[in-house]
Amino acid sequence: DAGVIQSPRHEVTEMGQEVTLRCKPISGHDYLFWYRQTMMRGLELLIYFNNNVPIDDSGMPEDRFSAKMPNASFSTLKIQPSEPRDSAVYFCASSFSQGYNEQFFGPGTRLTVL
Amino acid sequence: QKEVEQNSGPLSVPEGAIASLNCTYSDRGSQSFFWYRQYSGKSPELIMFIYSNGDKEDGRFTAQLNKASQYVSLLIRDSQPSDSATYLCAVKEAGRRALTFGSGTRLQVQP
Repeated sequence: DAGVIQSPRHEVTEMGQEVTLRCKPISGHDYLFWYRQTMMRGLELLIYFNNNVPIDDSGMPEDRFSAKMPNASFSTLKIQPSEPRDSAVYFCASSFSQGYNEQFFGPGTRLTVL
Repeated sequence: QKEVEQNSGPLSVPEGAIASLNCTYSDRGSQSFFWYRQYSGKSPELIMFIYSNGDKEDGRFTAQLNKASQYVSLLIRDSQPSDSATYLCAVKEAGRRALTFGSGTRLQVQP
């Protein structure tokens, strides 16, 4: 079975540009999570969805960040405008509601904002 | 602010030894606990989870949970150089699906 798929794997952009990160969860999983990992702050939750509906977006740093999940197999995280401090690895993870919330991570997108 | 604390390490053990990784958490309502392994430049990989007090074994790995003391640990028996990685402890709080992660402990297994 395919795992969580993320694209692009690497993104280099200039400050002020719009960045869109994409995620395809594991088929059948009904929870989707977006995390950000930096050396300073570790792995922190940004937002998560259940059945395509945002449940908790308290981790979204500011209005420049937005996330959508238009259907069960696709989600986007958008940063507009991007800033150098947004440079991090962004992970998407998914889980199934029946179970103990084991979350499975995608390979991540390494974002560099110059 | 719910917290999950881990010693950042590095924890260095010789090949074949037992590596012991520890984690404490602040939320007494936490329900389930996860250990992830993360190799440098890679994504976190689930090793095992535990939700009841006591020990849970899976191959060379044993997770231990003590809810009264609010700590969870991971033992790795017969450590191998391939076990060298950062180990992340994660906690699921009651009523919430998201996980709170510790900062991770870097393990180095010396050949």
